[in-house]
Amino acid sequence: DAGVTQSPTHLIKTRGQQVTLRCSPKSGHDTVSWYQQALGQGPQFIFQYYEEEERQRGNFPDRFSGHQFPNYSSELNVNALLLGDSALYLCASSWLNEQYFGPGTRLTVT
Amino acid sequence: AQSVTQLDSQVPVFEEAPVELRCNYSSSVSVYLFWYVQYPNQGLQLLLKYLSGSTLVKGINGFEAEFNKSQTSFHLRKPSVHISDTAEYFCAVISNSGGYQKVTFGTGTKLQVIP
Repeated sequence: DAGVTQSPTHLIKTRGQQVTLRCSPKSGHDTVSWYQQALGQGPQFIFQYYEEEERQRGNFPDRFSGHQFPNYSSELNVNALLLGDSALYLCASSWLNEQYFGPGTRLTVT
Repeated sequence: AQSVTQLDSQVPVFEEAPVELRCNYSSSVSVYLFWYVQYPNQGLQLLLKYLSGSTLVKGINGFEAEFNKSQTSFHLRKPSVHISDTAEYFCAVISNSGGYQKVTFGTGTKLQVIP
């Protein structure tokens, strides 16, 4: 079992650009959540996808959007990047009440 | 509202000494409790979890935690730490209400093991 995988590992973008991050969940997991972890802070919940729909959302602007595919993999899109979007973006897949995290994508906005 | 408080941002401890990392939570509904470890430039790894049953739960790498409902705490302990335990530790709670799952993380505690 490969566990949760994320790509790319690192990414550097310029302010105003758009970015897409990808996540493949652990085998058998149908729910994917995305988190933003700024330097020195705990993960902040962005949104969760289940059955290809956004089931719930944290306190993030509409610039943050996502998608879940029939194979349960997911994408996180961020438009009009700001310097403050620089962070580690974590994907977690879950089954019932247990979440398993991927290694994250480190996004740097310059 | 749901919240998690990790009272110590940094905890230095000598190798082979015991350690306790504190976590308190607040929630109006029942919660599930988790501890995760994060090594530098890596994702979160599940250390242990409390879902139900015995309030003392054992996890990987010799860690254990005790759920105390009256004190709304879930402190993490290890009787003898190793250099390799140097990492950041996050406490998290999950609650379910109205068909929605709410996940809240603490701000983390950096454990520094001193040789």
